[in-house]
Amino acid sequence: VQLVESGGGLVQPGGSLRLSCAVSGFTVTINDMAWVRQAPGKGLEWVSVIYSGDSTSYADFVKGRFTISRDNSKNTLYLQMNSLSVDDMAVYYCARLNSYGTEYLQHWGQGTLVIVSS
Amino acid sequence: DIQMTQSPSSLSASVGDRVTITCRASQTISPYLNWYQQKPGKAPKVLIFSASSLESGVPSRFSGSGSGTDFTLTISSLQPEDFATYYCQQSYSSPITFGQGTRLEIK
Repeated sequence: VQLVESGGGLVQPGGSLRLSCAVSGFTVTINDMAWVRQAPGKGLEWVSVIYSGDSTSYADFVKGRFTISRDNSKNTLYLQMNSLSVDDMAVYYCARLNSYGTEYLQHWGQGTLVIVSS
Repeated sequence: DIQMTQSPSSLSASVGDRVTITCRASQTISPYLNWYQQKPGKAPKVLIFSASSLESGVPSRFSGSGSGTDFTLTISSLQPEDFATYYCQQSYSSPITFGQGTRLEIK
């Protein structure tokens, strides 16, 4: 199992980025997948989840600005981020949820850094 | 949202010590409590899920216990590679929430 994020970088406040998470070893569309972020020197913060049935959920602080999606043909998870602010600056991790029984974040990518600055 | 509070926030210990980290939820969440270890510059790694189940490949010196609102992570005999930050996380209800972390340092 491997998850590899990409797409992070420097963006101005108000700008947009799309993060990608290329997955191998399992099929992204039949698994529950999540994005979690970590601001510099801070703790972990859940951002969004997409379930195998395609329902989605977002943290209040990204609702209406971020969109989670996935592409079966590329076996890739995405996070479209719009209207970025300095508060969104963080390392963004994608993760596979193990949802058999209780839910937990079983496999993680290495993270991609998003810097929001003018 | 369910608030998760860990204690202590930081801890100094020596190799071979027994260490306990506590996590308290703002409402009952049994058994939807998981523990993660994170080393600097690395992604978190799950240690314990469902409060007390050891993830495959995790050394048996790690154990979890608790129910209701109060949970503990115990490391029975600290090893040099265990110095890291530990997070609890609840999956009882959305949004998923994490504790603030406990930084375990070498004494």
